[in-house]
Amino acid sequence: QVTLRESGPALVKPTQTLTLTCTFSGFSLTTSGMCLSWIRQPPGKALEWLALIDWDDEKYYNTSLKTRLTISMDTSSNQVVLIMTNMDPVDTATYYCARMWGGRSFDHWGQGALVTVSS
Amino acid sequence: NFMLTQPHSVSESPGKTVTISCTRSSGSIASNYVHWYRQRPGSAPTLVIYVDNQRPSGVPDRFSGSIDSSSNSASLTISGLKTEDEADYYCQSYDSSNPVVFGGGTKLTVL
Repeated sequence: QVTLRESGPALVKPTQTLTLTCTFSGFSLTTSGMCLSWIRQPPGKALEWLALIDWDDEKYYNTSLKTRLTISMDTSSNQVVLIMTNMDPVDTATYYCARMWGGRSFDHWGQGALVTVSS
Repeated sequence: NFMLTQPHSVSESPGKTVTISCTRSSGSIASNYVHWYRQRPGSAPTLVIYVDNQRPSGVPDRFSGSIDSSSNSASLTISGLKTEDEADYYCQSYDSSNPVVFGGGTKLTVL
């Protein structure tokens, strides 16, 4: 079955760089049409899409955060990594990775990883 | 960039029917698929409607989706409301310039 799991630090300081890893199983990211995204949700707020990488290693970013984000994949270890620079307290959120395949819907989500930005 | 606007909250009684709207600010709602997610407190979102009106396996047929070009909006309708339907609901779509756009979410209260 399809599973996704986010991992990374629970606490980062302002101005630091956040690195999150999504480890997945049950599918191949190189399958045509397959994509994986990062989505975040500040406490009590709405979902916000951050970045997407597709089966062809094409990358797409939220335009308002583009300068701070880098998404990459390691197909040999079934992982997708998100790097976000210059973290700020407003970046405190639960960060989700989710699979997109066909119709551009997210059919599987990880459980989420809460990241707090505080000194 | 386009936006998807949802009502902040809706409420209805058990057994009744509720409809949650999702209005697209620019571009045709019918041009790109709309998907709906349910998020219960403390949990990740789950897909309840995809490609406008299809239900993933395991989602009861009390959930339905539709598109209305005249109002440029999509709707999620839940009939026979149960207390377990109480959650936040999000719509999502895209276009050629914006791979993913989420609505602001609607809190459904079943009282």
